[in-house]
Amino acid sequence: TQLLEQSPQFLSIQEGENLTVYCNSSSVFSSLQWYRQEPGEGPVLLVTVVTGGEVKKLKRLTFQFGDARKDSSLHITAAQPGDTGLYLCAGARGDDKIIFGKGTRLHILP
Amino acid sequence: NAGVTQTPKFQVLKTGQSMTLQCAQDMNHEYMSWYRQDPGMGLRLIHYSVGAGITDQGEVPNGYNVSRSTTEDFPLRLLSAAPSQTSVYFCASSYAGTGSYNEQFFGPGTRLTVL
Repeated sequence: TQLLEQSPQFLSIQEGENLTVYCNSSSVFSSLQWYRQEPGEGPVLLVTVVTGGEVKKLKRLTFQFGDARKDSSLHITAAQPGDTGLYLCAGARGDDKIIFGKGTRLHILP
Repeated sequence: NAGVTQTPKFQVLKTGQSMTLQCAQDMNHEYMSWYRQDPGMGLRLIHYSVGAGITDQGEVPNGYNVSRSTTEDFPLRLLSAAPSQTSVYFCASSYAGTGSYNEQFFGPGTRLTVL
């Protein structure tokens, strides 16, 4: 059973459109992170959220942590081809393990 | 700083062979971990370490051994390679494990094929 479920698995949209990807779990996490991975490289951290209900913005990217700290969302406004990549959420619980979701593969068409 | 380095970048093994994937970091991070990444499966935790001399199992530890004799190095050993271990392996490190605001820094990965 996957601890962190990401949806959608794949998303292909036109440049300029908005999109939201989701990371859901039945478990509570002490913090949740979003990473982006380019082909042939390791993931790179975008943001960490730690407080239930927290919202963080990174230019056109908005990250939200659910009130119960079980889910998170990533919203991209006016997507650009440079946003193309694999987006991974990762959760930390109290057992020293950081668990990743399967990822959302995003493709922005010019 | 070199960050997290992994060697080799590519490796082909025959079934039953053994090998060690090397991982080193120069950031004085206490927490290090190994993940494997397979198509459609995201990153799955193999083993992790919260400091020198301390290791523990992740989600998919079978077929892999680790040790942590120094803060800098965290090698991953495949004792008897199997085709199911064909994957891309990532090593990561962070300052202090799973605490809040802890960014994991990833190496460039090792692409392993077992024939």
